[in-house]
Amino acid sequence: AQSVAQPEDQVNVAEGNPLTVKCTYSVSGNPYLFWYVQYPNRGLQFLLKYITGDNLVKGSYGFEAEFNKSQTSFHLKKPSALVSDSALYFCAVSNQAGTALIFGKGTTLSVSS
Amino acid sequence: DTGVSQDPRHKITKRGQNVTFRCDPISEHNRLYWYRQTLGQGPEFLTYFQNEAQLEKSRLLSDRFSAERPKGSFSTLEIQRTEQGDSAMYLCANHPYDRGVSEQYFGPGTRLTVT
Repeated sequence: AQSVAQPEDQVNVAEGNPLTVKCTYSVSGNPYLFWYVQYPNRGLQFLLKYITGDNLVKGSYGFEAEFNKSQTSFHLKKPSALVSDSALYFCAVSNQAGTALIFGKGTTLSVSS
Repeated sequence: DTGVSQDPRHKITKRGQNVTFRCDPISEHNRLYWYRQTLGQGPEFLTYFQNEAQLEKSRLLSDRFSAERPKGSFSTLEIQRTEQGDSAMYLCANHPYDRGVSEQYFGPGTRLTVT
């Protein structure tokens, strides 16, 4: 069965510092990996994805993520956090294009000024 | 704004009543998904359509839940005899399958409160 783990309920960083939001996954076959962000009372916004190719993928708002097959991880990173990055972040996986996504429980990112 | 709209945005209903939600996707995207999100959890898959065909249903989709996509465009999700445990955010998503991309685009959701 497919699953996603986000081991941290909350990540706190100071503005200007680098941030990492962790994600590990379990899937049969090749993974399709995604990060989404959710602001209060809003739907999910797509940030970035890994399907194949370069292990470091870049996405919206300066975010990037590194795919590590041996560790089955797909951590979200940003070199310099902004207060406006404060939100709820979800990692998701599927094993085929166009099928249902399995989401983690989410990690709340809080960036202080 | 992803272009996916949902109506209503909020619904308060009494236990035992029926409710129906609507999702209007971006028209050219031909896969449509329903998810449910409860407080402190990630979205959980309910069902999805390709055009008007319902291709997969989760075990979460009890027989009180039914979804349709009659003309391959908008979709409805109906919950009959609502229970307090149905209180959640119901999210619709669209997948631009015909564009060869892999991500799903989500609507703003319908928040259901069952009293």
